[in-house]
Amino acid sequence: KNQVEQSPQSLIILEGKNCTLQCNYTVSPFSNLRWYKQDTGRGPVSLTIMTFSENTKSNGRYTATLDADTKQSSLHITASQLSDSASYICVVSAEGGSYIPTFGRGTSLIVHP
Amino acid sequence: DSGVTQTPKHLITATGQRVTLRCSPRSGDLSVYWYQQSLDQGLQFLIQYYNGEERAKGNILERFSAQQFPDLHSELNLSSLELGDSALYFCASSVDYITDEQYFGPGTRLTVT
Repeated sequence: KNQVEQSPQSLIILEGKNCTLQCNYTVSPFSNLRWYKQDTGRGPVSLTIMTFSENTKSNGRYTATLDADTKQSSLHITASQLSDSASYICVVSAEGGSYIPTFGRGTSLIVHP
Repeated sequence: DSGVTQTPKHLITATGQRVTLRCSPRSGDLSVYWYQQSLDQGLQFLIQYYNGEERAKGNILERFSAQQFPDLHSELNLSSLELGDSALYFCASSVDYITDEQYFGPGTRLTVT
């Protein structure tokens, strides 16, 4: 069964600190992995999309890594800001000619001043 | 602002009723996706349309149906509503499908009483 597990479930950090969120998946065959940021009550916003051949992708202070061998991804946030407080969702899609996503439950990040 | 619009923003209705949610994709995007997000289930993919045709189906109940019209806007119809259908319903759009970045709308919050 395709599954995506995210850890930690929640995280509290101080403004200016770095943090790393984890995503482990069992989706097969792998097509791509996406990280989304979702503010409470709003639509998710795409941060990165990675395919099998990519192992690092950056978007400003957000850097995602992918290890397709161990089926793990991480999202590193550098120099956190208060506006980074949100839920971060990992989505892994299977290959098969159509869109077949499996969602993680997300990591809730709170950045304190 | 993602460029994806959804109406209405909020909807309150009674069990057994039928409602229609509407989505207008970003200009130029041919693919539309529908998602449901509830507190206990997280984000779930419902269905995808590409240029008017159904492309992929996720965890969509038989009581739910959708379509994409020639002008590319989409509607999600929910019938015989149950309390458990209360959720945020998001629409997203992309130029193509599978690996393209998806842009999410602000969502429609449905409350079934």
